[in-house]
Amino acid sequence: GAVVSQHPSWVICKSGTSVKIECRSLDFQATTMFWYRQFPKQSLMLMATSNEGSKATYEQGVEKDKFLINHASLTLSTLTVTSAHPEDSSFYICSASRWTEAFFGQGTRLTVV
Amino acid sequence: AQSVTQPDIHITVSEGASLELRCNYSYGATPYLFWYVQSPGQGLQLLLKYFSGDTLVQGIKGFEAEFKRSQSSFNLRKPSVHWSDAAEYFCAVGARRDDKIIFGKGTRLHILP
Repeated sequence: GAVVSQHPSWVICKSGTSVKIECRSLDFQATTMFWYRQFPKQSLMLMATSNEGSKATYEQGVEKDKFLINHASLTLSTLTVTSAHPEDSSFYICSASRWTEAFFGQGTRLTVV
Repeated sequence: AQSVTQPDIHITVSEGASLELRCNYSYGATPYLFWYVQSPGQGLQLLLKYFSGDTLVQGIKGFEAEFKRSQSSFNLRKPSVHWSDAAEYFCAVGARRDDKIIFGKGTRLHILP
């Protein structure tokens, strides 16, 4: 099956700094990628749809200025958590779809201290 | 917009017993339906999916699911569970028009020895 790679797998950062998470489709081109957030013992919540070459579409309640999404190429989308705070600590997962099937990255565990 | 309901937060079954995890969806047209499994601290693994055709879908690890349009359900079943099946199970529904996938809140499966 198709492979989606997410980097880094885990990151610890200081409060107030920014963190960038990369999501790559390794063997196919993805015009659309999705970013999810998962709090401990909870479900995946869709944050935004990343569209190649255009602005991301954010779900209701997600701060656009807080979570910056860039989809500069057909194989790469990035999520930048700006001015991170401890409440941003979470598990972030990206996905890319090919032929209607979604392929998920392995996730990034962000801890803000 | 699509939505998913998993009415059972926790399910406990004995090893070797049969399993059924419930999932109900809401979507205006025929949806894409998925079941994913997630072990603690891990990413998502696709168990099975329904796009069209035969309403009884076979997946990996001995799982199956049946799409019932009249009941808006896509319940996951396994005839005999193993201790290694203990995990979190997510039902998800995808929209055909934009590939967006929405997850249910999940059901945590516990296995008794």
